[in-house]
Amino acid sequence: DSGVTQTPKHLITATGQRVTLRCSPRSGDLSVYWYQQSLDQGLQFRIQYYNGEERAKGNILERFSAQQFPDLHSELNLSSLELGDSALYFCASSVGTGLAGGFFGELFFGEGSRLTVL
Amino acid sequence: SQQGEEDPQALSIQEGENATMNCSYKTSINNLQWYRQNSGRGLVHLILIRSNEREKHSGRLRVTLDTSKKSSSLLITASRAADTASYFCATDGSGGSNYKLTFGKGTLLTVNP
Repeated sequence: DSGVTQTPKHLITATGQRVTLRCSPRSGDLSVYWYQQSLDQGLQFRIQYYNGEERAKGNILERFSAQQFPDLHSELNLSSLELGDSALYFCASSVGTGLAGGFFGELFFGEGSRLTVL
Repeated sequence: SQQGEEDPQALSIQEGENATMNCSYKTSINNLQWYRQNSGRGLVHLILIRSNEREKHSGRLRVTLDTSKKSSSLLITASRAADTASYFCATDGSGGSNYKLTFGKGTLLTVNP
């Protein structure tokens, strides 16, 4: 058990809908990362938050947004869903910030939220 | 685009044999990490090697890093059926203001009993 909790584990929805994925980081970790994993694109970094602030961004669609709340849990919102958004969405947490020049340590991953868009 | 690329994409061996996976990357790094993922599960950190280290061991795992060739290898000795999983290298990329850990597409290791 990594200590990172993701809900829901599975989600089936229709195109055009909106979903929210939730992540609770490991106790004491201030950084939260969201990754999307699909067969064709592999594991893609989407966005990082540190202590409530956005810290780094990957190729994230405008239809996707995220935030980290004062209690450090994070939510990833996916809207106007398309078939191609079907994937495993992982949240990970770490102690460090990943700031340039800093030490980027181990990430602790949740078990993922499997999204199926029909 | 992927920073790290693993090779081979798939590897099938017999229990007791050694498994070697390779990772190549493109830009300078501060450290390189290896992760393991059982099918459909979350990734689990295996080992981290810093850019000023050349070799690191952890149990049956041995990782090497050659920064001049921008490559790393992961050796699993005396493999077991339970080692069956996908293995990913991840690099942090020391340049730029946006810091992230970038993963390759992984090597799928199958250890046959």
